[in-house]
Amino acid sequence: QVQLQESGPGLVKPSETLSLTCTVSGGSISSSNSYWSWMRQPAGEGLEWIGRVYTSGSTDYNPSLKSRVTISVDTSKNQFSLQLTSLTAADTAMYYCARGPGMATHETFDIWGQGAMVSVSS
Amino acid sequence: QSALTQPASVSGSPGQSITISCTGISSDVGGYNHDSWYQQHPGKAPQLIIYEVSNRPSGVSNRFSGSKSGNTASLTISGLQAEDEADYYCASKRRTSILWVFGTGTKVTVL
Repeated sequence: QVQLQESGPGLVKPSETLSLTCTVSGGSISSSNSYWSWMRQPAGEGLEWIGRVYTSGSTDYNPSLKSRVTISVDTSKNQFSLQLTSLTAADTAMYYCARGPGMATHETFDIWGQGAMVSVSS
Repeated sequence: QSALTQPASVSGSPGQSITISCTGISSDVGGYNHDSWYQQHPGKAPQLIIYEVSNRPSGVSNRFSGSKSGNTASLTISGLQAEDEADYYCASKRRTSILWVFGTGTKVTVL
């Protein structure tokens, strides 16, 4: 059974870069022909899709965040990562990694990590 | 990017049925059959409960059902139970760019 686990710093300073990693266990990140995504959710608010990466390394990003986001995959470590630059307080949120969306997951986010809380503050 | 529109809250008594709407545009909900629904209990990650408008993943109760008419998708919970108290989000692919959008979220309260 595939499981996902986010890791990274809980506190980042304004203007700095956030780096989060999602480790996939219970299956190979490259064998399922899946996309892998990052989402975020500010406290008390809704979900926002940040972007996705395919096992080949190709990416798609939310246009509203595209200028600040990089998502990459490391198949040797069974991980994929998020980098978000030029942080402000508005980036404070719970960050989730998930499998999908793509044809292999019926265009859904079918497995989620438990989330990593990130606060942007000096 | 604007979110899909859901009612902020819906409530019902145990055993009743409730329906949550999710309104988009022809470029997302109205343009694909990739609508999905997620249940999120407090402090937990979202969980997929409906995909491709009306399909349930293995293990999801058949009390959850989905449908769509035009630009509006709907989630119905029948035989409402206390454990159904949670936030619910719809999601859809948006055609105008490679983008997935979520609904604004609906808090379901079991009275």
